[in-house]
Amino acid sequence: QSALTQPASVSGSPGQSITISCTGTSSDVGGFDYVSWYQQHPGKAPKLMIYDVTNRPSGVSNRFSGSKSGNTASLTISGLQAEDEADYYCSSYTSSSTWVFGGGTKLTVL
Amino acid sequence: EVQLVEAGGGLAQPGGSLRLSCAASGSTFSTSNMNWVRQAPGKGLEWISYISSSSYTRYYADSVKGRFTISRDNAKNSLYLQMNSLRADDTAVYFCARGLRAFDIWGQGTKVTVSS
Repeated sequence: QSALTQPASVSGSPGQSITISCTGTSSDVGGFDYVSWYQQHPGKAPKLMIYDVTNRPSGVSNRFSGSKSGNTASLTISGLQAEDEADYYCSSYTSSSTWVFGGGTKLTVL
Repeated sequence: EVQLVEAGGGLAQPGGSLRLSCAASGSTFSTSNMNWVRQAPGKGLEWISYISSSSYTRYYADSVKGRFTISRDNAKNSLYLQMNSLRADDTAVYFCARGLRAFDIWGQGTKVTVSS
C-alpha cells in the first residue's frame, strides 16, 4: 500500500488560511469517507483534528475543516495562529482492510 | 478520559524479539478497537496493525505481516505487539492508538531501536 501524497511543506502568515492536500486512489481516499487528519508537534503524539472527512472532534477549533473531492482530501486551517505550526498527516481506510497515512506536511507560520 | 501508556521498547539485535505493551485506563478498553502505529526517526507515520475489541479481527501492514502479532487482554486493559525477526528498518517510536475509522486517542509512544 503506497503512502498518500501530501505536499512536503506549506506556509502562511498569522491570520491567513492554508490548505493541505492529500491525494490517494479509488482504493482508499476516493473509495471511503474514512479520511482523517492529525496534527503532530515535535516529540509529541499525533492529535486527531478531523475524522470522516469533515467532522471535528470535541475540543478542536472550528478553524480546522476538511473536505474531499474524488481521490483528493483537503485540510483547511483558517485564521492561522503560531500554535498551528506542526506536522500534519492525513490517513484513509483502504480496500485491503488496512489504513494508510500520507507522508506528512510541515506547516510553517511565518 | 481514556489514557494509553506504552512500554517495552528498547534496544534489540537484528533477528531478535521484543514485546510491546499498551496499558489503558478507563472502562471502555474492552469495547475499543485498537491499533499500533509507528514512526521511524525523522519520518512519517506508518499504520502497522489493528485488532477489534473482541480480538476476532486482526489486520497487518505488509511490512510486518508474518513477523509481528497483535493481541489484547481485556481483563487487564492491555494491548500487546509481539515483534519477531526484527530488522534495522523496524527502528521507530511505536504508538498505540484507539479507533476504527480514525485514531482518536494515542499513547506517548515507546522507542524501539534495532541495531547490533
